[in-house]
Amino acid sequence: KAGVTQTPRYLIKTRGQQVTLSCSPISGHRSVSWYQQTPGQGLQFLFEYFSETQRNKGNFPGRFSGRQFSNSRSEMNVSTLELGDSALYLCASSRIAGGGDTQYFGPGTRLTVL
Amino acid sequence: DQQVKQNSPSLSVQEGRISILNCDYTNSMFDYFLWYKKYPAEGPTFLISISSIKDKNEDGRFTVFLNKSAKHLSLHIVPSQPGDSAVYFCAASFGTSYGKLTFGQGTILTVHP
Repeated sequence: KAGVTQTPRYLIKTRGQQVTLSCSPISGHRSVSWYQQTPGQGLQFLFEYFSETQRNKGNFPGRFSGRQFSNSRSEMNVSTLELGDSALYLCASSRIAGGGDTQYFGPGTRLTVL
Repeated sequence: DQQVKQNSPSLSVQEGRISILNCDYTNSMFDYFLWYKKYPAEGPTFLISISSIKDKNEDGRFTVFLNKSAKHLSLHIVPSQPGDSAVYFCAASFGTSYGKLTFGQGTILTVHP
């Protein structure tokens, strides 16, 4: 069974630009969560989508948004990029993201903002 | 407010010995706990999990122990191997947290040959 895939793997942008990252979950998984990893803040939850609906959102500004498609693939978008947005962005999928459900992570997208 | 804490930033162990990684949590709503292993610039790899209705779960060389009264969990790796060298994260969730895992800051494990 194929794992979680993320594209692109690496991205370089400049301040003020916007970026879209893509995630394809494990086949049969309907929940997709996004995380940001930085050296200072560790792994922080951005948001979660299930059946095309955002069910949960972390403490990030509105510049961070996402969506999920009917095939469970998900995208996240960051507008008006800031230097502090440089991070590893991770996507994770699970069957239902309810109690006792394990999340499996993709390899991540390394975003560098110059 | 850090709800999941890994107080040891690093741990060094000799090959063949036991590695014990610790994690504390403060939110009593957490009912599912996971351990992940991570290499730099890669996504976390799931290792083992435990539900709050259990106090121990084993999978091969990995055993997780949960002490609910102390709000403490630990991961035991026996025997430790050089390939186990990585950053280990504990994470927690609860039934209605809908995809939100709360992670500790991680512990760097180094296993020396």
